[in-house]
Amino acid sequence: AQSVTQLGSHVSVSEGALVLLRCNYSSSVPPYLFWYVQYPNQGLQLLLKYTSAATLVKGINGFEAEFKKSETSFHLTKPSAHMSDAAEYFCAVSPKTGANNLFFGTGTRLTVIP
Amino acid sequence: EAGVVQSPRYKIIEKKQPVAFWCNPISGHNTLYWYLQNLGQGPELLIRYENEEAVDDSQLPKDRFSAERLKGVDSTLKIQPAELGDSAVYLCASSLGPWAGGETQYFGPGTRLLVL
Repeated sequence: AQSVTQLGSHVSVSEGALVLLRCNYSSSVPPYLFWYVQYPNQGLQLLLKYTSAATLVKGINGFEAEFKKSETSFHLTKPSAHMSDAAEYFCAVSPKTGANNLFFGTGTRLTVIP
Repeated sequence: EAGVVQSPRYKIIEKKQPVAFWCNPISGHNTLYWYLQNLGQGPELLIRYENEEAVDDSQLPKDRFSAERLKGVDSTLKIQPAELGDSAVYLCASSLGPWAGGETQYFGPGTRLLVL
């Protein structure tokens, strides 16, 4: 069964500081991995995804994530936080075989302090 | 390119009343998903359509929930009768095709339901 754990339901950083949002997956076979962002009262927008190519994935808005098989992790980072980054971030997995279903973590709310 | 469209954006009803949500996926997308998002949680799949066929409805509470995707384009999700615990955001998403994972799902803005 696919599952995702996001450590820290709330993360606060100062504007300009490093953003690090953690995601660990539980799967016998490394799945496809995604990060989505959700702004208030909006749907989810894809930030980036890992599909077995390069382990360091660059996404939109300056975000990137690194797939580490040995740690079963796919942490999301951004070197310098901007006020507009304040949102809810969801890590999700999709199995490499079978249906294209997404299994989401519980989300991390990012607050950026001016 | 237009994104996934959902309506209504907000709905307030009394318990035991019926309610319906509508979704128009991105043009050309064969696969359509309905997700339930409870407050403070990630989305959970309710049903997945490939064209007009519901290929995964294992998480859909069939005693009160129903869905349809006539002609393989628009879809409607219905609850009858609604219960207090159905208050949540209902998200629709679409993707190009039914092939194996890794396919990007594009989400609509959701319908926020409040049952009183």
